[in-house]
Amino acid sequence: DTGVSQDPRHKITKRGQNVTFRCDPISEHNRLYWYRQTLGQGPEFLTYFQNEAQLEKSRLLSDRFSAERPKGSFSTLEIQRTEQGDSAMYLCASSLGANGELFFGEGSRLTVL
Amino acid sequence: GDSVTQMEGPVTLSEEACLTINCTYTATGYPSLFWYVQYPGEGLQLLLKATKADDKGSNKGFEATYRKETTSFHLEKGSVQVSDSAVYFCALTGNQFYFGTGTSLTVIP
Repeated sequence: DTGVSQDPRHKITKRGQNVTFRCDPISEHNRLYWYRQTLGQGPEFLTYFQNEAQLEKSRLLSDRFSAERPKGSFSTLEIQRTEQGDSAMYLCASSLGANGELFFGEGSRLTVL
Repeated sequence: GDSVTQMEGPVTLSEEACLTINCTYTATGYPSLFWYVQYPGEGLQLLLKATKADDKGSNKGFEATYRKETTSFHLEKGSVQVSDSAVYFCALTGNQFYFGTGTSLTVIP
């Protein structure tokens, strides 16, 4: 098991473009989480899946953000019409069950110019 | 709703000093509590956890005790090292994982 992997590690884009991040969780983990982290802040919850079902989405999350986990394995997070305020580190984590330890990937850093 | 409040930083200590980082929580039900650590340039990783009241989590010389009566999970270490310099996050499980804002620790030789 290679842990949680995220791709790409870095993405630089122009305002208004769409970006997509991919997360491959630990294979037996049924829960997958997306967080956003900016400098000096803790991880901010975006959404999570249990298997392929998206169970919760942050109320702070704009409609420009969408996430999928079509087969209950990998997940994608898409940001449409990016804005400079979207610049952040996007973290993916997975766990086995609701109270299991979260295992984080190394994150995908987005810079919107 | 569920939340975690942890002490503001940054914290600067000399090597071998004692460390306490305060964390209190608000939760319905019986959450598990965690401390995560983020070393410079690295991703978050679990430091220790406790799953029920009065449990003590420990790892790498760090300890934290799940205190239901004071709704606290303070992180402690008796003698810090330069290599402990990192950002520490308190977290709990509710409907999903809730993280505190993080406390930056710098240990100077």
